[in-house]
Amino acid sequence: GQNIDQPTEMTATEGAIVQINCTYQTSGFNGLFWYQQHAGEAPTFLSYNVLDGLEEKGRFSSFLSRSKGYSYLLLKELQMKDSASYLCAVWDNTDKLIFGTGTRLQVFP
Amino acid sequence: DAGITQSPRHKVTETGTPVTLRCHQTENHRYMYWYRQDPGHGLRLIHYSYGVKDTDKGEVSDGYSVSRSKTEDFLLTLESATSSQTSVYFCAISLGTDSTDTQYFGPGTRLTVL
Repeated sequence: GQNIDQPTEMTATEGAIVQINCTYQTSGFNGLFWYQQHAGEAPTFLSYNVLDGLEEKGRFSSFLSRSKGYSYLLLKELQMKDSASYLCAVWDNTDKLIFGTGTRLQVFP
Repeated sequence: DAGITQSPRHKVTETGTPVTLRCHQTENHRYMYWYRQDPGHGLRLIHYSYGVKDTDKGEVSDGYSVSRSKTEDFLLTLESATSSQTSVYFCAISLGTDSTDTQYFGPGTRLTVL
């Protein structure tokens, strides 16, 4: 079956670094996405990984290990505006995007 | 901004009534998708379209139908709404020409079925 696991909630302090993990078991793999979703808003695209390794984009980085079925999103220099849900999603071999339930991150001053 | 709008943005309706949600895009993207989002569940695919009059079912298609008579519009219809269809509905498009390109989401429609 299709399964994507993420922690439900995380908390962190402004200025700190936080790592949000995602493990997946899907029917095939054609890439992994991270989206950010603020409360009451639409998901917005953050990053895409299809090969193993780290992709860096400003304060955000995303890592993928296909052999372990594992990814993480790393957020540096946390700001209050980073309080949001972070969604991990995997393209399976039927070209469907399978989403995890999301990780709600709260950043405190 | 991928030029996606959804209407209505909010709707309250009664059980048994038909409801149609509209997704409109302005940039001729081929692939369009309808998802629902509920607490405790990830975004779940309802139906998708890969061109005019070309649609297919997703993971949770029961009770929903779709139509795409023009490139720019993708309609989601609940023939007879039920309380279990209370949800937030998101439309999405793929920016590229491949179905596995990045998806971008519309602002969402919050539907309440009483």
